[in-house]
Amino acid sequence: EPEVTQTPSHQVTQMGQEVILRCVPISNHLYFYWYRQILGQKVEFLVSFYNNEISEKSEIFDDQFSVERPDGSNFTLKIRSTKLEDSAMYFCASKQGARGNQPQHFGDGTRLSIL
Amino acid sequence: GESVGLHLPTLSVQEGDNSIINCAYSNSASDYFIWYKQESGKGPQFIIDIRSNMDKRQGQRVTVLLNKTVKHLSLQIAATQPGDSAVYFCAEVDSGTYKYIFGTGTRLKVLA
Repeated sequence: EPEVTQTPSHQVTQMGQEVILRCVPISNHLYFYWYRQILGQKVEFLVSFYNNEISEKSEIFDDQFSVERPDGSNFTLKIRSTKLEDSAMYFCASKQGARGNQPQHFGDGTRLSIL
Repeated sequence: GESVGLHLPTLSVQEGDNSIINCAYSNSASDYFIWYKQESGKGPQFIIDIRSNMDKRQGQRVTVLLNKTVKHLSLQIAATQPGDSAVYFCAEVDSGTYKYIFGTGTRLKVLA
C-alpha cells in the first residue's frame, strides 16, 4: 500500500540553526500538509499546499517557516532559525483530491529536538 | 468556537472484549469525520471515516457511530487485540474550509 515517507526520523539541531524536514507524499496525491505534535498534545495544523502554493496556514506557521515542492516528489518544511519551542514531532500528510470527504494519509514523522 | 474533545483519556480493556472510544465535537459546519490510530513512534494511521449523511459505518472489526444531534462520535472495536493498543483520536473536517481539527486522543490499553 502506498505511503507517505518522511526523513529523517530524528533530527537534533542547535538553537538558531536551520532545519529542513523532508517528505515524499503518495504519488498520485495533490494536496500536502504539515502538522506538528508536541509531546503529549494533539496534532496541530501548520500549513496546506496545493498547486505549488500555500492554500492555508495557521498562526504557528510564522515567517521562520517555509514549504517547498522542489521537484515532482519531495515536499519540504524549512525552519529558518530554530527555537527551543520548535521541538516536536512534525508530520507530513497528503490527500488525493479536493473533496473534503477524503482522508489525509500521514507519514511516521520527524522528531525534531532543539538543543 | 471549534473544538474536538475526548471524554476518556485512558481506556483499559481485556483482550477479546469490545472497546468504545468517544469523541465530542462542536463545529456544526463539520461534515466529515475520521478516526486515526497512533502507535508509539509512528504517525496517525487512518482507520475509518464517516460522512455526516450517515450515522453508522462498519469496517473490519471497527464501527463508527455518528450522532449529529449531540455532536458525538464513537469508535467501537470488536474483540480487542493486543495490537490495538495505541492512542486513538478523531478528526472533524469543516465542510467549507476542509480543515482538519484533531482531538487530544484516548490511549487504549489491552490487557492480556
